[in-house]
Amino acid sequence: GAVVSQHPSWVICKSGTSVKIECRSLDFQATTMFWYRQFPKQSLMLMATSNEGSKATYEQGVEKDKFLINHASLTLSTLTVTSAHPEDSSFYICSASRRVSNEQYFGPGTRLTVT
Amino acid sequence: ILNVEQSPQSLHVQEGDSTNFTCSFPSSNFYALHWYRWETAKSPEALFVMTLNGDEKKKGRISATLNTKEGYSYLYIKGSQPEDSATYLCARNDYKLSFGAGTTVTVRA
Repeated sequence: GAVVSQHPSWVICKSGTSVKIECRSLDFQATTMFWYRQFPKQSLMLMATSNEGSKATYEQGVEKDKFLINHASLTLSTLTVTSAHPEDSSFYICSASRRVSNEQYFGPGTRLTVT
Repeated sequence: ILNVEQSPQSLHVQEGDSTNFTCSFPSSNFYALHWYRWETAKSPEALFVMTLNGDEKKKGRISATLNTKEGYSYLYIKGSQPEDSATYLCARNDYKLSFGAGTTVTVRA
């Protein structure tokens, strides 16, 4: 149990376009989902926390208008990178938990390359 | 976001040998420490959640210890096997996770 999927697993897009990444909890209801970003040889950095039906809470330094997060249901959260630039190229990974501060179950991640 | 450090960044182990590596973290206001195992192209998999000073947890050949007073945790792999090759992440939990950069273990047959 506690499987989380992400789609797509990798995506290449042109600078200035927007990209949507989906995170789904397949066999449980996720009251909270988390979005992380990882640059090469660095640690996973929390970008934002989203609770179902409410606005996401963004970490300091993360632009909420650039990284749009929607958590419309208990099994789906989406991250949209708007007007992507090459510096947004990174590995994006989501996690889901049944309650805040409980165990987080991770998706396999999405590799975004902006050309 | 807390400063969590892991060392070494990578290590190579001969099959059958045992190894260990470190996670250090700020010790004040400690709540919990998580260890994850992350194989390439897969999701990070939870290994342990540790909360109490002196905690020792074991899962097969992998075990971990926790010292909350000095702010470190060790993860041990006994009798390494090729399937143990992965990146091992630790994260301190303060109602959100602050990750270290991981230790990548490569077990040579």
